[in-house]
Amino acid sequence: AQSVTQLDSHVSVSEGTPVLLRCNYSSSYSPSLFWYVQHPNKGLQLLLKYTSAATLVKGINGFEAEFKKSETSFHLTKPSAHMSDAAEYFCVVLRMDSSYKLIFGSGTRLLVRP
Amino acid sequence: DGGITQSPKYLFRKEGQNVTLSCEQNLNHDAMYWYRQDPGQGLRLIYYSQIVNDFQKGDIAEGYSVSREKKESFPLTVTSAQKNPTAFYLCASTTTGERLGEQFFGPGTRLTVL
Repeated sequence: AQSVTQLDSHVSVSEGTPVLLRCNYSSSYSPSLFWYVQHPNKGLQLLLKYTSAATLVKGINGFEAEFKKSETSFHLTKPSAHMSDAAEYFCVVLRMDSSYKLIFGSGTRLLVRP
Repeated sequence: DGGITQSPKYLFRKEGQNVTLSCEQNLNHDAMYWYRQDPGQGLRLIYYSQIVNDFQKGDIAEGYSVSREKKESFPLTVTSAQKNPTAFYLCASTTTGERLGEQFFGPGTRLTVL
């Protein structure tokens, strides 16, 4: 079975400091992994995806994620937080069967302090 | 502009009533999905459809029904059999091929049972 675990339900950073949102995955196959962002009362937007090409993936708005097979991790980072980054972030794995469903983590709420 | 629209944004239902949430996309995507989001939880899949006139149950289909008569439209009916329908409902669509897993989301409908 495939799954993702987001290790922090809430993360708080000061504006201008680095962001780290942690995600561990479980998969018998080489996984396809994603990070999605959701601003309050909005739909989700794709930030970035990993599909077995480069292990360091660059996304929108300055976010990056690194796939580490040895650690089964796919942590999301950003060098310098902006107030507009305050949102909920979801780590997601693509289910590799005929359904191609997405399996969502429980989410990490990012708070950015001025 | 291509995208997904959901209506209404807010919906109030009395107990015992059926209500229908609208989802329309003009992205020419084959696959469409309905998710339910509760506070502090990730998204849970209700129903999905990979082609017109065909759909499958997701993880929490009880008390819900869908139809897929047109490629662009995937309405969700919340029936009186759904015991706890108050939630945020999100519709999504995706294409297949190398962009599998990149789902585009609508803005959501917040349903409240009075």
